[in-house]
Amino acid sequence: NAGVTQTPKFQVLKTGQSMTLQCAQDMNHEYMSWYRQDPGMGLRLIHYSVGAGITDQGEVPNGYNVSRSTTEDFPLRLLSAAPSQTSVYFCASSVGTQETQYFGPGTRLLVL
Amino acid sequence: DAKTTQPTSMDCAEGRAANLPCNHSTISGNEYVYWYRQIHSQGPQYIIHGLKNNETNEMASLIITEDRKSSTLILPHATLRDTAVYYCTTSATGANNLFFGTGTRLTVIP
Repeated sequence: NAGVTQTPKFQVLKTGQSMTLQCAQDMNHEYMSWYRQDPGMGLRLIHYSVGAGITDQGEVPNGYNVSRSTTEDFPLRLLSAAPSQTSVYFCASSVGTQETQYFGPGTRLLVL
Repeated sequence: DAKTTQPTSMDCAEGRAANLPCNHSTISGNEYVYWYRQIHSQGPQYIIHGLKNNETNEMASLIITEDRKSSTLILPHATLRDTAVYYCTTSATGANNLFFGTGTRLTVIP
């Protein structure tokens, strides 16, 4: 199993551009989530999904959209990138909401 | 969900036991205590979790106090590769579960 994969590894955007961060898992996990990590801030939950077709907001959802059309994929869309969205983004998955989370390697995003 | 507090940083001599404390005084009865670590800039890695009883696996031991308001992660023989940020978190039923604070930066000293 590849586990949780994320693409791209690194991205530079200009303010106002849009893009999609990809996340995929091959463990047939129902629960998937997106976090962002800023220096000195720990990880903050952006959006999560408890299964295909179901998504909900986390702690810091503004400026981001998600969808879950399949169990495997959980893309994160930045609608109009802002410098405040410069961060490292981690995707995670687990069997259920109380189960161990498996994290991807992260996407480093720089918004100029 | 219960929030957690941890010391900002700790040092440990190589080969000695590293004891990392965590306070989760508002934890509710159905919340598990989870420990993860993040080495350099990699994704967090699961270490261990528990509900009430002490737990041990190949990586670490988890000691949870009887009132469940605090816990200690023990790395029995710390190595240089254990240098990382260690996160203590709790999870309850419901999807919006894990809260990651700033963790404890453990430095293992040769």
